[in-house]
Amino acid sequence: DTVMTQSPDSLAVSLGERATINCKSSQSVLYTPNNKNYLAWYQQKPGQPPKMLINWASTRESGVPDRFSGSGSGTDFTLTISSLQAEDVAVYYCQQYYNTPRTFGQGTKVEIK
Amino acid sequence: QVQLQESGPGLVKPSGTLSLTCAVSGASIISSNWWSWVRQSPGKGLEWIGEVYQSGSTNYNPSLKSRVTISVDKSKNQFSLKLSSVTAADTAVYYCARVSGYFDWWGQGTLVTVSS
Repeated sequence: DTVMTQSPDSLAVSLGERATINCKSSQSVLYTPNNKNYLAWYQQKPGQPPKMLINWASTRESGVPDRFSGSGSGTDFTLTISSLQAEDVAVYYCQQYYNTPRTFGQGTKVEIK
Repeated sequence: QVQLQESGPGLVKPSGTLSLTCAVSGASIISSNWWSWVRQSPGKGLEWIGEVYQSGSTNYNPSLKSRVTISVDKSKNQFSLKLSSVTAADTAVYYCARVSGYFDWWGQGTLVTVSS
């Protein structure tokens, strides 16, 4: 299995400040023939299903605010919230879809400081 | 707008079989997508259970493979999950989702509790 490890487990950020979440995969999720990273980021608020924010490591889903951005390649990835808003309080997960079983990181809880 | 809706018993007895259905609207289950089940134990992270294609082809999480069956019903535009020999460890919110590689559409989830 491809193990996904996120850091930190939680972080508290002041409104308007930057939040950075890291995700590391135990093996590369970069498919060389098409140069695509099979990595997605999700946001989950209490009582709701996960919502996909970013796919292919850096492609923002339609309707997702541009303060959310994804970067990285191979085994190391980052989700950045450039200016934290109150509505961004949630748990964030990375997920690889390079192979099966599909695997998720353990989640990072983002709170307001 | 794709919508997925899980349905099934919210309480299952230990050693019994958990059975859930996911009704799909706004999209055809006869498409190039796979259709998946994901679960989340209370206060925990997300665990992929498995997926099915319109042809009936399946992929399962090895950790659950011996107990899981996922099937598709093209006539009803839905797919189903069966998990046998359940224990308290299978208590979770079960989500169905559409697979486009990533999970782009999710149901609201249904809580299944395993208890006598």
